Amino acid sequence: GAVVSQHPSWVICKSGTSVKIECRSLDFQATTMFWYRQFPKQSLMLMATSNEGSKATYEQGVEKDKFLINHASLTLSTLTVTSAHPEDSSFYICSARVRGYYEQYFGPGTRLTVT
Amino acid sequence: RKEVEQDPGPFNVPEGATVAFNCTYSNSASQSFFWYRQDCRKEPKLLMSVYSSGNEDGRFTAQLNRASQYISLLIRDSKLSDSATYLCVVNPNDYKLSFGAGTTVTVRA
Repeated sequence: GAVVSQHPSWVICKSGTSVKIECRSLDFQATTMFWYRQFPKQSLMLMATSNEGSKATYEQGVEKDKFLINHASLTLSTLTVTSAHPEDSSFYICSARVRGYYEQYFGPGTRLTVT
Repeated sequence: RKEVEQDPGPFNVPEGATVAFNCTYSNSASQSFFWYRQDCRKEPKLLMSVYSSGNEDGRFTAQLNRASQYISLLIRDSKLSDSATYLCVVNPNDYKLSFGAGTTVTVRA
């Protein structure tokens, strides 16, 4: 149980284009989904928290207009990186939790490379 | 000060050895604690939750010391497959998790 999928697993795009990443909870309903970014040899940094049907809450320093998050259902959240730049190249990981539990279950991640 | 600090290692141990490491956290109001395991270029996977009385799961033992604000993980009878980065994770508020940078463990044959 507690399986989270993420698509695509890797993507290469040109600078200035937008990229959408999907995160799905496959066998449970996720009341909250989280988006993280991880640079090499660094810890996971929380970018934003999204609850189904409401606006995402962004961490300090994360541009909400650049990283658009939509959480349309209890099993799907999307992150769109708009006007991507090379410095946005990173490992983006989503996670999901069930109401009442603190554990988060992670998707396999999306490796984004912006050229 | 970082919310969660870990010794980055690496801890290089032979198969069958015991290895232990700690992490410290800064928010004394933290309620939940976890160890996650992350393999190279993969997502973190929950290894175990840490309970206040300490808990064991097979070869893995976790301890929590609230007074000193540290959490430990001990791995007995290390296997090659235990080679990974171990993330200390703390829940400082209702739903967010704070991650340490990880402790790298390498088990050699």
